[in-house]
Amino acid sequence: DAGVTQSPTHLIKTRGQQVTLRCSPKSGHDTVSWYQQALGQGPQFIFQYYEEEERQRGNFPDRFSGHQFPNYSSELNVNALLLGDSALYLCASSLFPGQNYEQYFGPGTRLTVT
Amino acid sequence: RKEVEQDPGPFNVPEGATVAFNCTYSNSASQSFFWYRQDCRKEPKLLMSVYSSGNEDGRFTAQLNRASQYISLLIRDSKLSDSATYLCAVKSRGYQKVTFGTGTKLQVIP
Repeated sequence: DAGVTQSPTHLIKTRGQQVTLRCSPKSGHDTVSWYQQALGQGPQFIFQYYEEEERQRGNFPDRFSGHQFPNYSSELNVNALLLGDSALYLCASSLFPGQNYEQYFGPGTRLTVT
Repeated sequence: RKEVEQDPGPFNVPEGATVAFNCTYSNSASQSFFWYRQDCRKEPKLLMSVYSSGNEDGRFTAQLNRASQYISLLIRDSKLSDSATYLCAVKSRGYQKVTFGTGTKLQVIP
């Protein structure tokens, strides 16, 4: 059973650059949510994609955008990177809406902005 | 007030001890509740969902108190391998967003 996969594992970018992170959901799941986790904090909800549409968004600026493809995989794009964007970016997959809404996380992409 | 609050700990307990964590939530419309375990620099892993009647999985017991708006996690007979950060997560009715607490760090000592 294929779990959630993310790429790349690590990334170093410079302020002002743009980055794209990728996620493939767990087999059988159709919904992808993205989270940002800063050191010492819990994951913060960025947005969720289902049926190739953004279904809900957290308190993140428009510099954060995403996409979902017909095969349910997803991308997170961040433009005009700031030092504060350095964090672990987690993708979680689930079934929509799902009776229990259990989410399963990928290993994350650790982004460092210098 | 934060939507979901946890005591950050750390909780340092000897092997074999019983330890309990609480997590409070502010939105009375919260519908679904979860406990996740996160090892250092790894992704959160779903430990258990929390049901209204309470539920148990081996040494782990989760409880929900809607009146006081908190969930709890009890770990019996602690093992060294239980050392991790435990995150509670809450989903509100009608929303897809899941809100996480900052986590409670548990260190089990030999």
